[in-house]
Amino acid sequence: DTAVSQTPKYLVTQMGNDKSIKCEQNLGHDTMYWYKQDSKKFLKIMFSYNNKELIINETVPNRFSPKSPDKAHLNLHINSLELGDSAVYFCASSQEPVPFYEQYFGPGTRLTVT
Amino acid sequence: GQSLEQPSEVTAVEGAIVQINCTYQTSGFYGLSWYQQHDGGAPTFLSYNALDGLEETGRFSSFLSRSDSYGYLLLQELQMKDSASYFCAVRGERNQGGKLIFGQGTELSVKP
Repeated sequence: DTAVSQTPKYLVTQMGNDKSIKCEQNLGHDTMYWYKQDSKKFLKIMFSYNNKELIINETVPNRFSPKSPDKAHLNLHINSLELGDSAVYFCASSQEPVPFYEQYFGPGTRLTVT
Repeated sequence: GQSLEQPSEVTAVEGAIVQINCTYQTSGFYGLSWYQQHDGGAPTFLSYNALDGLEETGRFSSFLSRSDSYGYLLLQELQMKDSASYFCAVRGERNQGGKLIFGQGTELSVKP
């Protein structure tokens, strides 16, 4: 059984389009995250939700909007896509307060904006 | 704020031992984690040190020295499948949930 799943795995789209990425975890964790990994493999937190409540919102453009319909799901919607949004987006989950340091990552969504 | 430094790449041969260092700067410290990521794959958790000393898990060990703000990941009996990127990570401030701050990653190449 897949612990953290994401769809789609690949996303190729043109500048200006709007797209969504979906994430689901079946681990019963309370906290879910979105990370962005750029071409240099730098992994950076974008958002974090705990029991459907937004708790971390890094300096991310307003074009990115996360939504958590329940604690097992965290989606990411991106408006007006730009070339610089091309990256791999990872969803992750963990149990709070421990072990927060052991995060389970989904397989990633490789977004290419042309 | 927090920052971590680790070497960008390391090369070693099969069967050898390799050490990947990580130095960190953080205003509050809640332990050092290590993650492995194969090309095209997802980061996977390897180990965590909250206290000084060595933690061993099979061929992999992780060490922490809080006084030196330093840790390392030790990989023994290297195998080709250990070729991957390795990231150290610290937690963000306590009021920032489980946010992890990652180092830039060390790409390990294991040669035959």
